[in-house]
Amino acid sequence: SQQGEEDPQALSIQEGENATMNCSYKTSINNLQWYRQNSGRGLVHLILIRSNEREKHSGRLRVTLDTSKKSSSLLITASRAADTASYFCATDQFTGANSKLTFGKGITLSVRP
Amino acid sequence: DVKVTQSSRYLVKRTGEKVFLECVQDMDHENMFWYRQDPGLGLRLIYFSYDVKMKEKGDIPEGYSVSREKKERFSLILESASTNQTSMYLCASSSPLAAPYEQYFGPGTRLTVT
Repeated sequence: SQQGEEDPQALSIQEGENATMNCSYKTSINNLQWYRQNSGRGLVHLILIRSNEREKHSGRLRVTLDTSKKSSSLLITASRAADTASYFCATDQFTGANSKLTFGKGITLSVRP
Repeated sequence: DVKVTQSSRYLVKRTGEKVFLECVQDMDHENMFWYRQDPGLGLRLIYFSYDVKMKEKGDIPEGYSVSREKKERFSLILESASTNQTSMYLCASSSPLAAPYEQYFGPGTRLTVT
């Protein structure tokens, strides 16, 4: 069953603007990860946030996690045309050998030059 | 750099054929995964493996089987391909023993069954 649900399904912004994408999930998690997929390619890991963390930064990326609301958001600041891609959140309920991810359906981000 | 390779980028097969999709990773990862990706449905886990000769069913294993005879190689098998198995297939690997626990993906195989 789908664990993560992203919102919105599609987002179109102007270059230089910030993009905010949201993810909600249903059960308790060990960590939540965000991935990016360029058209027709494999997924690339962007950032991981653990269940005991509230906020994390990586370059132009900022991810937050609210375990009480079972939700996360990914903020891309100062967007570029090269950020155009699909973005997926994925939740991991377990650690160690039992670790496996459950992905949402993805958000399509278009950044207009 | 971690590298996950898949045997084909595009594949066209006929209904009823037996299809093998191969995945190889070069990072000595314990865990390997097969997903299919369809528009509007996201990624769905077909099978995964925690170790050589170990396999576990994912969310949609029907119509598929897997083989992991060597640590670096994980094969997905469509015993008798059907048109509803037309999809993008993605392989991934990870190591549960060391942070950051991310999955590394191959480029994908776009399979068309006619």
